[in-house]
Parts: sequence; C-alpha cells; structure tokens
Amino acid sequence: GEDVEQSLFLSVREGDSSVINCTYTDSSSTYLYWYKQEPGAGLQLLTYIFSNMDMKQDQRLTVLLNKKDKHLSLRIADTQTGDSAIYFCAEKGGSYIPTFGRGTSLIVHP
Amino acid sequence: EAQVTQNPRYLITVTGKKLTVTCSQNMNHEYMSWYRQDPGLGLRQIYYSMNVEVTDKGDVPEGYKVSRKEKRNFPLILESPSPNQTSLYFCASRTGNTGELFFGEGSRLTVL
Repeated sequence: GEDVEQSLFLSVREGDSSVINCTYTDSSSTYLYWYKQEPGAGLQLLTYIFSNMDMKQDQRLTVLLNKKDKHLSLRIADTQTGDSAIYFCAEKGGSYIPTFGRGTSLIVHP
Repeated sequence: EAQVTQNPRYLITVTGKKLTVTCSQNMNHEYMSWYRQDPGLGLRQIYYSMNVEVTDKGDVPEGYKVSRKEKRNFPLILESPSPNQTSLYFCASRTGNTGELFFGEGSRLTVL
C-alpha cells in the first residue's frame, strides 16, 4: 500500500531555517499536506500543495515538491520557539483515504 | 466556529468496562474518521465513514466499533477495552474540496 516516510526528529537553533523532508510512494497523489500538532492539541493543517505545483510559499513557510522523486519538503524560515511541534506529512491519492507519515518532532533551542 | 468536538478529553477506565468516545462536527462533512496516536507509530486509522450508515475498517480496527446514524456524529465504541488500547484518540472530518482534515482536540484514554 501507500507509504509516507519522514524522519522522527529535527533540532534547530532559534533564528535558523528548518527543513523537514518527506517521501511518499503513491504516484497518483493529488494533494500533499503538512499538518502541525502542538503539545496537547489536535493536528491542524499548516499548508498543502497540489500535485501539479513545484513550490508554494506562504510567509515563513516554503513547500517544495519533486514529483519525479516523490519528495516533499517544508522549510520554515527564521524558526521560532513557537514552531516547536510535531509536523506530519500526508498525501491523498487515488484512494479517498489520506496517508500520514509518522511525524517529525521539531525542537527549537535558543 | 467550525469544529470537531470529542468527549471525554481524558478517561481512565478498567479492562472490560465498555466505553464510548463521542465525536461531533458542525461543518456538514460527509467523511469522518478515527485515528489513534502512539509514540513512534504516528497516526493510525481505526475506522472511517464516507457518509451516513457507511463505515469501513482502517488499519487497526480490532477491538473497536463505530456507528454513523447521523451526519454530524461518529462515536467510537470500545466494547471490552484492554490495556493495549491505551492511547491518544483523534476524530477528524474532511472537506471534499482540498481534502483537508479537521481534527478534534484528542481523547487520552488509559485502560488499567
């Protein structure tokens, strides 16, 4: 079945850029998503990209999609302590059911 | 305000005592789903529902039941809870446009 892989942890210094990577296997993916989960809360959609796009920028967030390599990344510029959270990559392909990665814990230290 | 509401948020129970976690959404979404979140395992789907009276198993359905009698409600039932069902549970509903999932705040269940 479809699979979404991402590393479990990322540690960055406050003010640096963070890059969270994700790979997926479903070549029929139409939408790819980044969700953010803050401590003690549910997941919230951070941003998404349609599969016919290469890049999407939204303030400090940049999403890059390499469809050929099935690679998605989320770049957070000027990372702040409030960005500390778990970030989930997810994709929706031909199936109606979205597939999630295991989540990357982003730790921002001073 | 658009939201998904789960109750209870926290529950400690004992093995074998039936419990229900309720989920309600006010966005008129057709699709609803239950997930469990465990450390190192991410989100795993338990059951989902494409519409009223239509439910289907996800990746980890054993030990759970669901029902979808009304569009807004999708309760998760544990008929005989066991300690391996100790977990953080999330209900979600989905818009048909971009496929964005809206999650509840989570229900932390401990089975002793």
